[in-house]
Amino acid sequence: AQSVAQPEDQVNVAEGNPLTVKCTYSVSGNPYLFWYVQYPNRGLQFLLKYITGDNLVKGSYGFEAEFNKSQTSFHLKKPSALVSDSALYFCAVRDSAAGNKLTFGGGTRVLVKP
Amino acid sequence: NAGVTQTPKFQVLKTGQSMTLQCAQDMNHEYMSWYRQDPGMGLRLIHYSVGAGITDQGEVPNGYNVSRSTTEDFPLRLLSAAPSQTSVYFCASSYSGALETQYFGPGTRLLVL
Repeated sequence: AQSVAQPEDQVNVAEGNPLTVKCTYSVSGNPYLFWYVQYPNRGLQFLLKYITGDNLVKGSYGFEAEFNKSQTSFHLKKPSALVSDSALYFCAVRDSAAGNKLTFGGGTRVLVKP
Repeated sequence: NAGVTQTPKFQVLKTGQSMTLQCAQDMNHEYMSWYRQDPGMGLRLIHYSVGAGITDQGEVPNGYNVSRSTTEDFPLRLLSAAPSQTSVYFCASSYSGALETQYFGPGTRLLVL
């Protein structure tokens, strides 16, 4: 069975500082990994995904994520956070052996303070 | 393209009432799914469909029914609403295949009294 863990319920960071949101996963086949962001009272917006190839994936709004197979992690990063990055972030995984089903982590709330 | 649309945006039900949450997409996606979002639990899969006429259960299917008569529409039915079904419901769609990105609707907030 596939699973995702986001160990931090909330991350607080000052504007301009680097932002990291952690994600670890478990699959039996090859992992396909996704990050989504949810702004208040909105649906989920796709940020980026890792399928294969380079371990560093670049996505929307200046975000990037690093795939680490040995640590089974896919942490989301942004070099310089903005107040507008304050939102709820979800990591999700698909197991190559499990079809289209997407499993989500519990979410991490990011608060960027001015 | 309108993308994925959901109606209503907000609904209040009494225990035992039934209702249908509507979901439509105009991207010709084969795969559609319903999730519920509860605090601290992320999104949990209720039902999904890999194409018209084909549906299957997800992680938390009890109390919900779905059908997929067309590629575009994937309604979610609550047969007899319970307070435990108070949640935010999201519909998503994608092309078939594990590599494909799912696109989400704006959500329906449901309160069952």
